[in-house]
This record gives sequence, structure tokens and C-alpha cells, in this order.
Amino acid sequence: EAGVAQSPRYKIIEKRQSVAFWCNPISGHATLYWYQQILGQGPKLLIQFQNNGVVDDSQLPKDRFSAERLKGVDSTLKIQPAKLEDSAVYLCASSLDRQGWSGANVLTFGAGSRLTVL
Amino acid sequence: GQNIDQPTEMTATEGAIVQINCTYQTSGFNGLFWYQQHAGEAPTFLSYNVLDGLEEKGRFSSFLSRSKGYSYLLLKELQMKDSASYLCAVRNYGQNFVFGPGTRLSVLP
Repeated sequence: EAGVAQSPRYKIIEKRQSVAFWCNPISGHATLYWYQQILGQGPKLLIQFQNNGVVDDSQLPKDRFSAERLKGVDSTLKIQPAKLEDSAVYLCASSLDRQGWSGANVLTFGAGSRLTVL
Repeated sequence: GQNIDQPTEMTATEGAIVQINCTYQTSGFNGLFWYQQHAGEAPTFLSYNVLDGLEEKGRFSSFLSRSKGYSYLLLKELQMKDSASYLCAVRNYGQNFVFGPGTRLSVLP
């Protein structure tokens, strides 16, 4: 099966500019996550979608970050305006979440989008 | 609150055995996961525990004690390619995954 697709792989912008990242999860995966991973740290959840509804966005800086998952498939994450501290890798992940099947709980990650804010 | 602790760095010799510990305090528990992440790459799934005890998968094993909020990942017959970061993650009742800071393992010849 095809994996989680993300683009762009790399993006360099200046502070106060905007950027958008795109993610296409594994076909049939109901749950989609966006994580932020700063160099040397573990991934931090930004937002979790179940189909096209938001399950958890408590750690999303809503004054500058937004995300949507139209039709419960692809998702975009936008940052506007960007700050220096937003420099990180933005990881998209998906999981099947079929009840009663433990293997469905495994997160599969995309390759990530590396953002550098100058 | 939610907190996951792991050692920051570990070093071991090729062919040896290494144990990476993880302690956690989370709002609910619905499974503990270990991921491997090579520099510049995405995390990849290694192992999963939902019940207490040991799960073995080839050279990798993972142990869980829910009462102690403790897990470890055991890597046997270390190879140079095992040099990577190892992430401990807990899935909570909200069905999201909380990751620890990761343990950077260096395997020396």
C-alpha cells in the first residue's frame, strides 16, 4: 500500500510570511494527525482529525496555525504569519482505528515537511 | 498532566544489548508504542504493548508494567544501523499519541 504522502519536503521562508503543508494519508485511514517536531525533541501533537472532524486541537496555536481536512481525506496545515520558533519538521501521520484490532492503532508517518523560518 | 521521560542519550557497542527505559504519567492509557527515527527521517513503528509483559519481535523486545508506568525497549545483537533515536509514545483515552523526548542511541564499532 502507498504510504503517507507529504509536500513540500523542504520550505524556507522569512518571518511573517505564510506557508502551507499538504498531507495525503493512507487510503482508508480514518484518523489523521499533524505533529510538530523541533530538532532534538519528540513530536508534539498539533491537531487530530477523525474523518473530517477535529478531535483534538488543544495544542494548536490558533492565532497563527490552521488546519483542515476536507472530505475526510487530504489535509492542509497553514501557518500565517510564521515566527522563527516555527522552524521544525511538520509530520503528518494516519491510523486505521478499526475497533477491536490492535494493529489498527499504529501510527504511520509521512516523510515530513522541514520548515526553516529566517 | 502528561509526562513521558526517557534518557536523552545512550551509547553501546556493536553486538551488545541495550535497554532504553521509558516512564510515563498520562491521562488514561490505551497502549504504549516504540518508534525508531533515523536522523532526517520519519519515525517508523517498532513495537506495541497494551498488556503487562514482554513482547518480542526478532532483535527487539518491549516490556510494559502499567502499575509502575514503566516500559523498556531491549535491543539485542546491536548493529551499526541501530544508531537512531528511539521514541516512546503513549496512546491515551483521547486516542491521540503523546511522545517522549526520544533517546538518541549511538552504536560504536
